[in-house]
Formats: sequence, C-alpha cells, structure tokens
Amino acid sequence: AQSVTQPDIHITVSEGASLELRCNYSYGATPYLFWYVQSPGQGLQLLLKYFSGDTLVQGIKGFEAEFKRSQSSFNLRKPSVHWSDAAEYFCAVGAWDTGRRALTFGSGTRLQVQP
Amino acid sequence: DTGVSQDPRHKITKRGQNVTFRCDPISEHNRLYWYRQTLGQGPEFLTYFQNEAQLEKSRLLSDRFSAERPKGSFSTLEIQRTEQGDSAMYLCASSSGTDYPYEQYFGPGTRLTVT
Repeated sequence: AQSVTQPDIHITVSEGASLELRCNYSYGATPYLFWYVQSPGQGLQLLLKYFSGDTLVQGIKGFEAEFKRSQSSFNLRKPSVHWSDAAEYFCAVGAWDTGRRALTFGSGTRLQVQP
Repeated sequence: DTGVSQDPRHKITKRGQNVTFRCDPISEHNRLYWYRQTLGQGPEFLTYFQNEAQLEKSRLLSDRFSAERPKGSFSTLEIQRTEQGDSAMYLCASSSGTDYPYEQYFGPGTRLTVT
C-alpha cells in the first residue's frame, strides 16, 4: 500500500526567506503526486501536481516541486515566502495504477512565517 | 463553477445521536469523495462515488457510517449513534471523469463535535 511521510511537523521561516517542505512517498509503481495547502478552517487547495514528464513542476502562488524517483521524494519549494503563506501543507499520492481513486495524504507540515 | 459546497459547516451533537452531512460537487463532476480529517492529521479516505455508484469504501467506514449519492449529483454522509471518536472535519471532494488523473477539488468541510 502507498504511504506518504512529511518529516517536519512544524517549520518557521522569516518573511522573504526561502522555503523547502519535505515529502517522501512509498509506492511501487508510477506515483501521482500532489501538494495541497489548507488555511485555518478551510478546505484544501491544490498547489501543484506531478504525473509524468518534467520532474520540476510549477504551481500557483510561486510554488514549485521537484520529483526525485531515486529518493522517493517530492519536495515543495518557494524562493521567497510571504506572510500569507502561513498555513498547513499536505503532500498526497494517488495510486491510480491500482484502480483506486483515493488520495493518501501525509500528516502535514504547519508553516509559520515570522515578520 | 461555484466550487464544492458542504452543509452544515459546523455540527455539534450529543453522543448517540445521528447526524447527516451534505455535499454538492462541482457541476458536471461525476466523481465524488469523502475524507475525514482529525486534528493534526492529513485527510483519510472514507468512500468514493462514480456517478451514483459507490465504488470504493475504506475500512474506516464502519457500519455506523453510510453514504449515498442519489442520481449522481449531491451526496450525503450519515453517521448513526455518534461516538466521541467521530469528532473530526469531514471533507468532500469532486473530480471530473475526463481530466485524467482526476484532480480532486475539495469543499470547506463540515466540522463535527460530539459531546
């Protein structure tokens, strides 16, 4: 069965600093990978997704992520963080090849932005 | 496109009572998903509909839980004889059947508190 690990429960960065959120997945076949963001009391908004092709994917709000098959990782990055980026970030994997349609999520990383 | 909507947004109930939540997917999305999210965790898959057919259920969906999607439009999730462990955010998502691999759009969720 597939799984997702987000090793960092909580990260604090200064506004304007760069950001990298880690995500490691476990899945035997081609993974379909997603990053979602959740603000307090809100649903999840899709930031970006990877299915195939270029391993560096661009998303909304200036975020990007790089798929590294050798490391089973899909880390999220942003060159300069804004105060409005403070939220919880979830990495997810879809095991579409198995016929399942559910997403498996990591436990999330809470981002705090200091002024 | 008005997004996925859920009703109610908040529900407080006493242990042993039954509750029902409603989800209205994005119009023309034929796939609908329910997830449950507890504090400090990522969403966990509960069940999945394609049109009116319930095609996938998680082992988390105990006998007290039932979901329906009559006519393949809105969906309801009912919890019978609620327990304190049912307290969580219940998220609904929908996706189109044509834009493989089925990017899921989430609603704002229904927060259930069982006292």
